[in-house]
Amino acid sequence: EDQVTQSPEALRLQEGESSSLNCSYTVSGLRGLFWYRQDPGKGPEFLFTLYSAGEEKEKERLKATLTKKESFLHITAPKPEDSATYLCAPEGDSGAGSYQLTFGKGTKLSVIP
Amino acid sequence: GAVVSQHPSWVICKSGTSVKIECRSLDFQATTMFWYRQFPKQSLMLMATSNEGSKATYEQGVEKDKFLINHASLTLSTLTVTSAHPEDSSFYICSARVRAVSYEQYFGPGTRLTVT
Repeated sequence: EDQVTQSPEALRLQEGESSSLNCSYTVSGLRGLFWYRQDPGKGPEFLFTLYSAGEEKEKERLKATLTKKESFLHITAPKPEDSATYLCAPEGDSGAGSYQLTFGKGTKLSVIP
Repeated sequence: GAVVSQHPSWVICKSGTSVKIECRSLDFQATTMFWYRQFPKQSLMLMATSNEGSKATYEQGVEKDKFLINHASLTLSTLTVTSAHPEDSSFYICSARVRAVSYEQYFGPGTRLTVT
């Protein structure tokens, strides 16, 4: 069974205080790993896709990295507007050639001015 | 680009009635659309996958006769919750995969369903 564990569950940072979010996964037939940002009462907003171990992608203050068992989302000098829940979702083979995302429970990030 | 819309954004219905939720890809054609459900403080759970012109594939534990999915075109999928019960109250979110470009899924803003 596919499993995704995100840690920590919640993280409070002072503005400008860098940190990392962790996503550990066990997925059959991994095709890619996705990171999303979700604000309260909204749908997830796409951030990154990582396809192979060693790959890194950056967007503004965010950088995502991937190993064979984990992915990290690094946040450099965060601002209050980065406050949100960050979701990790590896995409694996669900059988018969179809693929689906398995979502972690997310890390709720709060950035304090 | 890659914008997905949902309508309505929230709906309140009485127990026993049916409600339809629309999901549209606005600026791209979607080979596949997905329907998720999210309960408070929980993550997204996949309900079903639908490909244009074919029957939806439902996840284990999701009643296909209760949650009717129609993917009539490359830009429109609908979810109808039939004979709604209070336990069906949840946040329903659709997503669409961009046709023949990548594996990325883009999500709609969600529909908050409350059954009284």
